[in-house]
Amino acid sequence: GNSVTQMEGPVTLSEEAFLTINCTYTATGYPSLFWYVQYPGEGLQLLLKATKADDKGSNKGFEATYRKETTSFHLEKGSVQVSDSAVYFCALIRNTGGFKTIFGAGTRLFVKA
Amino acid sequence: SQTIHQWPATLVQPVGSPLSLECTVEGTSNPNLYWYRQAAGRGLQLLFYSVGIGQISSEVPQNLSASRPQDRQFILSSKKLLLSDSGFYLCAGDRGSTEAFFGQGTRLTVV
Repeated sequence: GNSVTQMEGPVTLSEEAFLTINCTYTATGYPSLFWYVQYPGEGLQLLLKATKADDKGSNKGFEATYRKETTSFHLEKGSVQVSDSAVYFCALIRNTGGFKTIFGAGTRLFVKA
Repeated sequence: SQTIHQWPATLVQPVGSPLSLECTVEGTSNPNLYWYRQAAGRGLQLLFYSVGIGQISSEVPQNLSASRPQDRQFILSSKKLLLSDSGFYLCAGDRGSTEAFFGQGTRLTVV
């Protein structure tokens, strides 16, 4: 079946540290991949996306590359800020059998000053 | 662009009372619609999804039900709330292969 697996949190980093949040997926066909972010007390919003293999999505200093060979879409940022503290969700939209968004469980990130 | 209106933003209900949360969609037609629950400190749990009017799939057995009486309306209900139903409920949609769009969520506290 289709699924998304994220590294368990919480992840706690100091400001300016390098961030990696791992995400792997299982899907039939060629899904589109997404990272969403949920800041404290708010709803989810799209952070970045990639629609085909080797695409790199980027936004606000975050990047993720669609790796079909490893079925991964790891989120990275070179230097995190306190304001990046949030919950990050990896997701895919399968494109077979009807479109359906599937989310990972989310990874909570705490950034300390 | 697509938007979801979800209300109310917060709700406090006594145990055993009924529940009705509603979301409506603007800016697109025939979307896939979803209800998620996010318990405190936890990830998103898919409760229901719908690919069209009257078509509801339940992902987990529970005390809740969902209905889609119109293309752009998705309702989450319960006849009798339990304490364990407390959480943050999020309505979401997607259309084809584009990214999902979300309501602002409802924080439900069952007391």
